[in-house]
Amino acid sequence: QSALTQPPSVSGSPGQSVTISCTGTSSDVGAYNRVSWYQQPPGTAPKLMIYEVSNRPSGVPDRFSGSKSGNTASLTISGLRAEDEADYYCSSFTSTSSPFYVFGTGTKVTVL
Amino acid sequence: DVQLVESGGGLVQPGGSLRLSCAASGFTSSDFWMHWVRQVPGKGLVWVSRSKGDGSSATYADSVKGRFTISGDNAKNTLYLQMNSLRVEDTAVYYCTRGYNYGLDYWGQGTLVTVSS
Repeated sequence: QSALTQPPSVSGSPGQSVTISCTGTSSDVGAYNRVSWYQQPPGTAPKLMIYEVSNRPSGVPDRFSGSKSGNTASLTISGLRAEDEADYYCSSFTSTSSPFYVFGTGTKVTVL
Repeated sequence: DVQLVESGGGLVQPGGSLRLSCAASGFTSSDFWMHWVRQVPGKGLVWVSRSKGDGSSATYADSVKGRFTISGDNAKNTLYLQMNSLRVEDTAVYYCTRGYNYGLDYWGQGTLVTVSS
């Protein structure tokens, strides 16, 4: 099972919007609405930002939104802020017994 | 507050063993699916295994199947990952994390495992 494909980096100025894509296959992203997104600032553990494609856990700002079309999921950060600078990973449940989850390759978001 | 604290990492020679612990507080781990995820420093996240908090119904990534075993101690609210026949490629930070609606909502701080001669 290969990792989901994400762009290595995206950047934007404060206040702008950026979108990160996450491309999988019909065995993972395309098969289930079980895509999640994680934010990981340097030297820290990942933090859940989106689960089940578009749901935000309590405490996550509504500037973060998720969507999915076919085999590609997306995370959009609106009103970009300096504290959003971090690595972002998508993840999907898979139809195979192993692995249970597959993660994306990761995207570095830079706030210019 | 929900908290996960990993321990047990360290330096081990190839072929050696380590047991990682994940102490949970603020919730009963046996009521949730618990996962281990690892990350080579500077690289991406990789799912390793999952089980109920008592260690039952375990599933493993192919790369660790037959070498890693999950167990749990309900009385201590603690999950363990027994890692045998360790390889250089098992070197990583290992995170314990809680399953939530097909996401992973709480993560420990991670514990570094280094396999090297």
